[in-house]
Amino acid sequence: GAGVSQSPRYKVAKRGQDVALRCDPISGHVSLFWYQQALGQGPEFLTYFQNEAQLDKSGLPSDRFFAERPEGSVSTLKIQRTQQEDSAVYLCASSLATGRYTGELFFGEGSRLTVL
Amino acid sequence: AQRVTQPEKLLSVFKGAPVELKCNYSYSGSPELFWYVQYSRQRLQLLLRHISRESIKGFTADLNKGETSFHLKKPFAQEEDSAMYYCAPPRYNFNKFYFGSGTKLNVKP
Repeated sequence: GAGVSQSPRYKVAKRGQDVALRCDPISGHVSLFWYQQALGQGPEFLTYFQNEAQLDKSGLPSDRFFAERPEGSVSTLKIQRTQQEDSAVYLCASSLATGRYTGELFFGEGSRLTVL
Repeated sequence: AQRVTQPEKLLSVFKGAPVELKCNYSYSGSPELFWYVQYSRQRLQLLLRHISRESIKGFTADLNKGETSFHLKKPFAQEEDSAMYYCAPPRYNFNKFYFGSGTKLNVKP
């Protein structure tokens, strides 16, 4: 497709379950970001990939969060042993540019995770 | 730490009134600043970036280095401008792209 695609759009998990969220960026986009957006808040940075390299994961809130982009295209954000505070919309964004200025970010529609 | 402040969570104006959405940042250096917008049931998207000096949908934003502000302005608001607006300030390195907490603009008929 032409835009950033995320799946699933909605996920309900019981506390303690593992979840995996997928992001399919725009073809050819080198940079890929994951954000967490809690209700009423702006997007909070989680992690950044340049191709397959995870250059920054300082925003991941705990070691239960893990992200990968093994072939430099599709990325997966995995959350282990989900907790209620993990409930949020998880946004993926990609960008063509690299270097000092990343340029415009193109966002997916997000994956809304609800942990019961 | 780098900070972004959007002091208004909600801004309500009448159609045709001027609107200003405030954004202040803490950073020293050469900034590249953005405003992103999220319309109802749509994805977050770029509205404008200061470096291009464009006017998009009638909106402009001027970087004021003295005040470290990047306020978004429009002289005559339209109902279709109702949305969430996020300021994205400069980054101290390109890996972190910060957003403000957002301002919800409600344009009343």
